[in-house]
Amino acid sequence: KNQVEQSPQSLIILEGKNCTLQCNYTVSPFSNLRWYKQDTGRGPVSLTIMTFSENTKSNGRYTATLDADTKQSSLHITASQLSDSASYICVVADRGSTLGRLYFGRGTQLTVWP
Amino acid sequence: EAQVTQNPRYLITVTGKKLTVTCSQNMNHEYMSWYRQDPGLGLRQIYYSMNVEVTDKGDVPEGYKVSRKEKRNFPLILESPSPNQTSLYFCASSLNHPQQGDWYNEQFFGPGTRLTVL
Repeated sequence: KNQVEQSPQSLIILEGKNCTLQCNYTVSPFSNLRWYKQDTGRGPVSLTIMTFSENTKSNGRYTATLDADTKQSSLHITASQLSDSASYICVVADRGSTLGRLYFGRGTQLTVWP
Repeated sequence: EAQVTQNPRYLITVTGKKLTVTCSQNMNHEYMSWYRQDPGLGLRQIYYSMNVEVTDKGDVPEGYKVSRKEKRNFPLILESPSPNQTSLYFCASSLNHPQQGDWYNEQFFGPGTRLTVL
């Protein structure tokens, strides 16, 4: 069964600190993995997209890594800011016949304290 | 401005009263999709559309219908809403279907529609 698991479920850090969020997936065959940021009550916003041939991608202070062999990804946030408080969602697309299907993790709720 | 719009943003209705939530995008995207988001369950895909007149079921299609008569619009129809359809709904679009993992194929989400069915 295709699944996407994220950890931790929630995380509290102090402003200025770094943190890393984890995503493990069983989606097969794998096509690409996406990280989204979702502010409370708003639609998700895309941070990165990675295919199986890419193992790292950055977007400002956000850096995503991908290990397609172990089916793991991480999102590293550097020098956190209060505005980073949000839910971070890992999403995986497969390479099978279901072209339009996406598999969503339940998200990690990040809170940044001053 | 490139965007995905949804209407209404908030809706309170009663069980069994048919409703439609509209979704429109101005980016000439081929792929559009509807999601519902519930506490503790995350985003779940309801239906998606690869292009005009091409739609397919996602994870939770029961109780919903969609249509794609024009490229820019992808309405979500609840023929007979029930309280378990109370949720936050998002529409999204991207240039191509999700299997294309190029950087420009990111998915854009609408602002959401909060639906309450009494």
